[in-house]
Amino acid sequence: SQQGEEDPQALSIQEGENATMNCSYKTSINNLQWYRQNSGRGLVHLILIRSNEREKHSGRLRVTLDTSKKSSSLLITASRAADTASYFCATDAMNRDDKIIFGKGTRLHILP
Amino acid sequence: DAGVTQSPTHLIKTRGQQVTLRCSPKSGHDTVSWYQQALGQGPQFIFQYYEEEERQRGNFPDRFSGHQFPNYSSELNVNALLLGDSALYLCASSLFGQGGNTEAFFGQGTRLTVV
Repeated sequence: SQQGEEDPQALSIQEGENATMNCSYKTSINNLQWYRQNSGRGLVHLILIRSNEREKHSGRLRVTLDTSKKSSSLLITASRAADTASYFCATDAMNRDDKIIFGKGTRLHILP
Repeated sequence: DAGVTQSPTHLIKTRGQQVTLRCSPKSGHDTVSWYQQALGQGPQFIFQYYEEEERQRGNFPDRFSGHQFPNYSSELNVNALLLGDSALYLCASSLFGQGGNTEAFFGQGTRLTVV
């Protein structure tokens, strides 16, 4: 079963604009991660945010986490054509079983 | 430093056949997890191996089985293939017991097509 649900399912924006994707999850977590996937290939790890963190930055990426609302957001600033991909949030569970559960993803398309 | 490698890249099998997919984890990692990703969906957790034992299992039938070798590499076996088994199969490696620091590294996947 899915733990996370990304919103929107698909997003098209002009190059240079910012893209925001949201993720909601169901159970308490140790951490939440965001991954990128290009054209059905392997998943690339973008950023991990722990449950005691509220915001994290990595280059043009900004991730927020609100554990009270069980939600996270991924912001990509100054989007580029190369950012076109599917983005997934993934959560573990607080029982330390190290299993990571993915949402269905947001398909981001950057228009030239 | 080699990342996660999977083989083969693509595979076409006939219904009813059996298939074996292989994964070598990232150097220094001891845990391998397998995921199935249908077209347009997120990866679904199949199972996880650590110390050559299945530690966790998702909602997949017994037709899906696996193995982990002493060098931490792993195999995923699927018996009696169905058309619905057509998917991208992803392998992820990680270090066991990291709790809140469980960053998983993924291979490029094996695209299985069942005809």
